[in-house]
Amino acid sequence: TQLLEQSPQFLSIQEGENLTVYCNSSSVFSSLQWYRQEPGEGPVLLVTVVTCGEVKKLKRLTFQFGDARKDSSLHITAAQPGDTGLYLCAGDPDQFYFGTGTSLTVIP
Amino acid sequence: DAGITQSPRHKVTETGTPVTLRCHQTENHRYMYWYRQDPGHGLRLIHYSYGVKDTDKGEVSDGYSVSRSKTEDFLLTLESATSSQTSVYFCAIRGGGIGGQFFGPGTRLTVL
Repeated sequence: TQLLEQSPQFLSIQEGENLTVYCNSSSVFSSLQWYRQEPGEGPVLLVTVVTCGEVKKLKRLTFQFGDARKDSSLHITAAQPGDTGLYLCAGDPDQFYFGTGTSLTVIP
Repeated sequence: DAGITQSPRHKVTETGTPVTLRCHQTENHRYMYWYRQDPGHGLRLIHYSYGVKDTDKGEVSDGYSVSRSKTEDFLLTLESATSSQTSVYFCAIRGGGIGGQFFGPGTRLTVL
């Protein structure tokens, strides 16, 4: 059983399109983090969301924490090939759990 | 970039042999973590440490032990490696509070 469910599992889009990735759980989290991982490398922290309903922006990436602290979303505007990678959400109800990730491919 | 290194980066070993992986940090962070990453399972926590000589089990701790005798080093030991422990192992560090983690480059371990 996966504590954090991510959807979609795979996503292939054209450059310039918008997309949203979801991270859902039945557990409540004190915070949620989003990471991006490229092949052969470790995950890199993008953002931490803490407050109910919090929205954070990182250039073309918008992150939101759900009102019930059980879910989060990542929206990318005008995707570029450099956005290609595995996007992971993670949270710590007691210890750290990671979702299985969304593999994003942006086609030029 | 956080100062975190892992050694070795690649290792091939045989079933039944002991293996030790090392994680070294220069950030003086309190928390250190060992994960394994496998297709279809994502990143799963093996063990973590919240201070020198303070460690606890994670989600998939069976067959693994850890030690932390210094702030900067966190060792993961497979006492008797099995083929099911073939994986990519990542170390991560975190300061206090509710911030995220910083990951090392990973160790690819193959158990034949």
